[in-house]
Amino acid sequence: DSGVTQTPKHLITATGQRVTLRCSPRSGDLSVYWYQQSLDQGLQFLIQYYNGEERAKGNILERFSAQQFPDLHSELNLSSLELGDSALYFCASKDTGELFFGEGSRLTVL
Amino acid sequence: AQSVTQLGSHVSVSEGALVLLRCNYSSSVPPYLFWYVQYPNQGLQLLLKYTSAATLVKGINGFEAEFKKSETSFHLTKPSAHMSDAAEYFCAVSALSGGYQKVTFGIGTKLQVIP
Repeated sequence: DSGVTQTPKHLITATGQRVTLRCSPRSGDLSVYWYQQSLDQGLQFLIQYYNGEERAKGNILERFSAQQFPDLHSELNLSSLELGDSALYFCASKDTGELFFGEGSRLTVL
Repeated sequence: AQSVTQLGSHVSVSEGALVLLRCNYSSSVPPYLFWYVQYPNQGLQLLLKYTSAATLVKGINGFEAEFKKSETSFHLTKPSAHMSDAAEYFCAVSALSGGYQKVTFGIGTKLQVIP
């Protein structure tokens, strides 16, 4: 158990819809990272937050947004969903060393 | 800028044979280096990490990696492969960039262990 909690574990929705993925970091970790993992793209960095502030952006689409709240949990919002958005979405938290990953949220867009 | 190159997206070894997964990195500042393992339908777990102490790092499940600055490499090895080692392995580099710790992952190497 990494201490990072992600919900929901599985999500099936239709094209054009909007979903929210939630992440609770390890106790005390201020940084939250979001990654997308798909068969054809591998592990892609989306965005990083540190103590509520956005710190870095990766390959995140404009249809996607995220935020980190004062209690340090984070949400990734995916809107106008397309078939190609089907993937595993991982959240990870970090102190000064390594990243600790959650189990992921598997999104299937039909 | 920093980057990670993992040579070989798929590697097959026989059970009991040596496992060697290659990772080369580039970083303009001293990096931290990591190997993660991902089993099917699971998140990434840390195997081992290099944080500027000993250059030979031992991790879980019998894996180890050696940091070679001159070769900018951090290859992962295990003397004898087990069936349970079949998984995907990711090399990652973490270094200060623009005032924060940027983490970059390689594309991953899927390890197949043949009985």
